[in-house]
Amino acid sequence: DQQVKQNSPSLSVQEGRISILNCDYTNSMFDYFLWYKKYPAEGPTFLISISSIKDKNEDGRFTVFLNKSAKHLSLHIVPSQPGDSAVYFCAASAQGGTSYGKLTFGQGTILTVHP
Amino acid sequence: GAGVSQSPSNKVTEKGKDVELRCDPISGHTALYWYRQRLGQGLEFLIYFQGNSAPDKSGLPSDRFSAERTGESVSTLTIQRTQQEDSAVYLCASSYDRVGPMNTEAFFGQGTRLTVV
Repeated sequence: DQQVKQNSPSLSVQEGRISILNCDYTNSMFDYFLWYKKYPAEGPTFLISISSIKDKNEDGRFTVFLNKSAKHLSLHIVPSQPGDSAVYFCAASAQGGTSYGKLTFGQGTILTVHP
Repeated sequence: GAGVSQSPSNKVTEKGKDVELRCDPISGHTALYWYRQRLGQGLEFLIYFQGNSAPDKSGLPSDRFSAERTGESVSTLTIQRTQQEDSAVYLCASSYDRVGPMNTEAFFGQGTRLTVV
């Protein structure tokens, strides 16, 4: 039962253009969402998050959008840079229930930014 | 150190042997998570410890897998009678409290790469 899904295994964009990474979830209890970035041979590092009381959160070149009715979120990177090439994971948690705070991850999307 | 520390960084073991993987969380972090990432796959949840609550073991794939955590300190993930399908990177993460709007993230270690031959 994959509660967090990233349906695009990979994405390739040109330097300077926008990268859009998508994530869907099925558990309506999820109310906090995060994006992590992972380079090879390193642990994932936190990028940006959003609470379900918001529909947008921005941090520099990174913006996360949340559509609760569609159970969908996306990460926009503008402008994309070659150093952004990595695996991006979407994660979700619920602020209640038996596993309050547990992080559930998607399968990841490999982003390649070409110079 | 300031971050989450995992040891060993690499482990090669023979099929059928037991292995122990260690995670030192950031001091003061009450929540600790174990995940694994098989080659070309996503982050698969294994187990979640939060303070003194009973751990969420719902992700452990079989009874060959177990994990312990004493208080808010070190955790050990044990895999008994290892199989080739156990080969993966095992990642540990910790957070100050439950991850949410008031506690924004969990911090990951570098992982332990386990190879079962």
